[in-house]
Amino acid sequence: DTGVSQDPRHKITKRGQNVTFRCDPISEHNRLYWYRQTLGQGPEFLTYFQNEAQLEKSRLLSDRFSAERPKGSFSTLEIQRTEQGDSAMYLCASGSGLGIWYTQYFGPGTRLTVL
Amino acid sequence: ELKVEQNPLFLSMQEGKNYTIYCNYSTTSDRLYWYRQDPGKSLESLFVLLSNGAVKQEGRLMASLDTKARLSTLHITAAVHDLSATYFCAVDKSATNKLIFGTGTLLAVQP
Repeated sequence: DTGVSQDPRHKITKRGQNVTFRCDPISEHNRLYWYRQTLGQGPEFLTYFQNEAQLEKSRLLSDRFSAERPKGSFSTLEIQRTEQGDSAMYLCASGSGLGIWYTQYFGPGTRLTVL
Repeated sequence: ELKVEQNPLFLSMQEGKNYTIYCNYSTTSDRLYWYRQDPGKSLESLFVLLSNGAVKQEGRLMASLDTKARLSTLHITAAVHDLSATYFCAVDKSATNKLIFGTGTLLAVQP
């Protein structure tokens, strides 16, 4: 198991284009999270999946953002009609365990630049 | 709403010196995390603190948690250049275990 992976690692797009990112969590981790990190800030929570169910979405997740986890394994995050303000690092994390044994691991991130 | 504040935001240290980063959070939390982030990289987990009085140490870094004061500290002993990075604390409270991060502390260790 090589950890959480994300693809692509970098994406440059023009304003108004749609982009899609993929996250492959650690095998058998039932929890998956997306965060967004802008320059000089800490990561901010976007959305959470438990298995295939999307159980929580942040107010940061506007109508242009959609996330899926169709079979409870990998997840995709799509941004439609990108804006320059969407430029950020998009981090995926997966977690497993209950109570005090819960741990969360982050992927390498996808850096999005919107021109 | 759960808020997390760190100070200082920027810390310039000399090699060999000691210093402490502070993390305050606004409501009770189940867990407190410390992460390290190198420029352009993702987050590396350093410590998870679960209970009042918890103390964990790894090399030159030691983290502690005071749940009554809602305060965690990350103490750096005899800093070396390799410790230069941004350090984040984060807390989780909800059943989803989503993390709320502090603003980060950029640590620069000067020779």
